[in-house]
Amino acid sequence: DTGVSQDPRHKITKRGQNVTFRCDPISEHNRLYWYRQTLGQGPEFLTYFQNEAQLEKSRLLSDRFSAERPKGSFSTLEIQRTEQGDSAMYLCASSPLAEWSIFGSGTQLSVL
Amino acid sequence: SQQGEEDPQALSIQEGENATMNCSYKTSINNLQWYRQNSGRGLVHLILIRSNEREKHSGRLRVTLDTSKKSSSLLITASRAADTASYFCATGGYEDTGRRALTFGSGTRLQVQP
Repeated sequence: DTGVSQDPRHKITKRGQNVTFRCDPISEHNRLYWYRQTLGQGPEFLTYFQNEAQLEKSRLLSDRFSAERPKGSFSTLEIQRTEQGDSAMYLCASSPLAEWSIFGSGTQLSVL
Repeated sequence: SQQGEEDPQALSIQEGENATMNCSYKTSINNLQWYRQNSGRGLVHLILIRSNEREKHSGRLRVTLDTSKKSSSLLITASRAADTASYFCATGGYEDTGRRALTFGSGTRLQVQP
């Protein structure tokens, strides 16, 4: 593992379609975070996993969003019935016991 | 809502000059972190300063923290064109409030002209 991997790097979809993003954290990191970042703003927290347990969700995470982390390894973030307002960079980060996080390069979502 | 607010929002300097960015935050903290983000990429952790520290250095970076004013500054000395990026302060994390995620400011966009 050389870092946090996210796939795809870019996703263009039509409004109403479902999309799924994948994050592969650093293998020994038990904490995994999803953030959303819009142009000119800092990242905003979406959800947090410790191992396979989803321990925290932001109010930004509407019922169209779902995240999983089966077996405490990789994680997926799915957005159902995408809307134009979902267009953003979706960032995944993982963390060891230390307080800082290591971020992936993100998935840029464009909803047309 | 954003916890930290960076100032200025944008900064343009010449190579070799120093760049100073400021961050203000609202709640009490255990630590404050600075991250860099190149355009279209993820964030890279630069430095963490704890609430009982007033100043910390890492290479060309110097970070100060004033908990009485709820503010921090990041100084980049002898800037290089490669320092061109957005810089974010972040608070929170496991120890602070039990909330495990970071809360970011809106960032300072630094442009270093060669």
